[in-house]
Amino acid sequence: QSVLTQPPSVSAASGQKVTISCSGSSSNIGKNYVSWYQQLPGTAPKLLIYDNNRRPSGIPDRFSGSKSGTSATLGITGLQPGDEADYYCGTWDSSLSVGVFGGGTKLTVL
Amino acid sequence: QVQLVQSGAEVKKPGSSVKVSCKASRGTFSNFGISWVRQASGQGLEWMGGTIPIYRTTNYAQKFQGRVSITTDESTSTAYMVLSSLRSEDTAIYFCARVLIVSFGFDVWGLGTTVIVSS
Repeated sequence: QSVLTQPPSVSAASGQKVTISCSGSSSNIGKNYVSWYQQLPGTAPKLLIYDNNRRPSGIPDRFSGSKSGTSATLGITGLQPGDEADYYCGTWDSSLSVGVFGGGTKLTVL
Repeated sequence: QVQLVQSGAEVKKPGSSVKVSCKASRGTFSNFGISWVRQASGQGLEWMGGTIPIYRTTNYAQKFQGRVSITTDESTSTAYMVLSSLRSEDTAIYFCARVLIVSFGFDVWGLGTTVIVSS
């Protein structure tokens, strides 16, 4: 059981928009920044979003992040076949003093 | 752009220990943290622990307390993770990642080290 809760899977058609939710608690998402990672099959995760909504250089603005209370959301617009991957949210838990991840969401582009 | 170069795959016996290294290709860890994350086959990411050298702090996930040790050698810009008392369930890919201290974002990842625990 992951500390952060994500839907196991989401799907949307190519060119459309999808959102992935990440639910936590007051000790993790409620208190700290959220990051999002994309993991393509057989590769290491890649940072997509940090500080809730900031994109590292090189990440297209099709990817966006937001946070409200104890939940965070990753949005992807203009879906492409290459976006098919597993997506993870992550943050720090201040009560447990540990890093925590969501269980991951598999995105399928139809 | 800095890269994190991890040591090669390992095959270990149950009950033994494994030491995985993670070397920064340029620069140091001085303004960053280092975390270790593992991923069993077909499973999600699992944070094992991390260290922030400039603060001399290290935290471990409760699940691994007493079995894992994370250290850094700033003279060689290398981080190490030792996992002891290995069991078959420790078979996984082990990633090191550079951590942005304030945001806890993992901005650079190693390619991963496969550890297989088998008798």
